[in-house]
Amino acid sequence: DGGITQSPKYLFRKEGQNVTLSCEQNLNHDAMYWYRQDPGQGLRLIYYSQIVNDFQKGDIAEGYSVSREKKESFPLTVTSAQKNPTAFYLCASISGRMNTEAFFGQGTRLTVV
Amino acid sequence: KQEVTQIPAALSVPEGENLVLNCSFTDSAIYNLQWFRQDPGKGLTSLLLIQSSQREQTSGRLNASLDKSSGRSTLYIAASQPGDSATYLCAVKASNYQLIWGAGTKLIIKP
Repeated sequence: DGGITQSPKYLFRKEGQNVTLSCEQNLNHDAMYWYRQDPGQGLRLIYYSQIVNDFQKGDIAEGYSVSREKKESFPLTVTSAQKNPTAFYLCASISGRMNTEAFFGQGTRLTVV
Repeated sequence: KQEVTQIPAALSVPEGENLVLNCSFTDSAIYNLQWFRQDPGKGLTSLLLIQSSQREQTSGRLNASLDKSSGRSTLYIAASQPGDSATYLCAVKASNYQLIWGAGTKLIIKP
């Protein structure tokens, strides 16, 4: 079955640590996205990538980093510079063709302990 | 700049009622519009995708319409059930890669 897999489902981070969230897709989609969602809030774009080895900052990129070494994979690192990382993180992908839909993973809930 | 608005932010209705959720956008130059459902603590599930050339799409008890000239889309849910309780989000595809999101409508169906 084609889809997007995010792991882990739950993640706990100590103060000062970097953590990496995984996102893998087997849909052969060109573009991948990372969103942050806080309770009762909409989706805010962190980073996105349209092609391998290229990515752009979204609206709230500070304290985050990404890589796109393979078309299928778009990991997100939450660095110690991100002062309020506790949130729900969602990964999405979309084909570059005009009339296609976006697909989402099931999310990773990150909590600072 | 494209902006997407969903009103109301929350809606509570008795089971069995038909209801309409609204999504409005400011720029009619869109590729498509997609409606999603999100259950608490879960990812987003795609419900319906309407291409810019289409007027409506149907899936079971769901019907989504699109009026580009007025910048509006509606999601109609017939014979609502408690299992329909969720947050519903709409997203406009403004280019090959750009998605613009509404903040969502939280729907509660009372048994």
